[in-house]
Amino acid sequence: EAGVVQSPRYKIIEKKQPVAFWCNPISGHNTLYWYLQNLGQGPELLIRYENEEAVDDSQLPKDRFSAERLKGVDSTLKIQPAELGDSAVYLCASSPTSGVEAFFGQGTRLTVV
Amino acid sequence: DAKTTQPNSMESNEEEPVHLPCNHSTISGTDYIHWYRQLPSQGPEYVIHGLTSNVNNRMASLAIAEDRKSSTLILHRATLRDAAVYYCILRDGGGAQKLVFGQGTRLTINP
Repeated sequence: EAGVVQSPRYKIIEKKQPVAFWCNPISGHNTLYWYLQNLGQGPELLIRYENEEAVDDSQLPKDRFSAERLKGVDSTLKIQPAELGDSAVYLCASSPTSGVEAFFGQGTRLTVV
Repeated sequence: DAKTTQPNSMESNEEEPVHLPCNHSTISGTDYIHWYRQLPSQGPEYVIHGLTSNVNNRMASLAIAEDRKSSTLILHRATLRDAAVYYCILRDGGGAQKLVFGQGTRLTINP
């Protein structure tokens, strides 16, 4: 069975440009997470979905970040406009609603120049 | 969110046991202790979890102190592929599903 799929793996953009990341969770997993990981730090939660509802977005910088999970399956995270400080790895994870284990994708490494 | 404290780094030799400590003195009664690890250029992966009793699986063992204020992840025979950052996380079993990561312990395995 395929794991959590993220694309692209790498993205380089100029500051002030928009960027979008895509995540396809494991089939049947109702819970989807987006995390941000800065170099040398642990992942930080940006947003958590239960099906199509964002149930925890308190850490999402809503002035420039947005996310959607249409139909409760795959999800898109967008940054507009990107800033130099947004350079990081963006991780997507999924789990069954009552599941113990979260499954992570390989992440998208964003570099803003 | 209850906080965990781990050493920044540890080093061990191949084929020797490794004991990774975690302190969580403010753990609540409904908090499960989860361990994840992150290999280089990969997303985190689940290792093991427990509530009160010691746990074993194919990857590792988890020893939980009687007062639950600390725990130890045990790798019985480390290999070079076990070199990773190991995260100890408290996760509320009663509701919120989120995982709150700290900085973890960077484990180096010497050949």
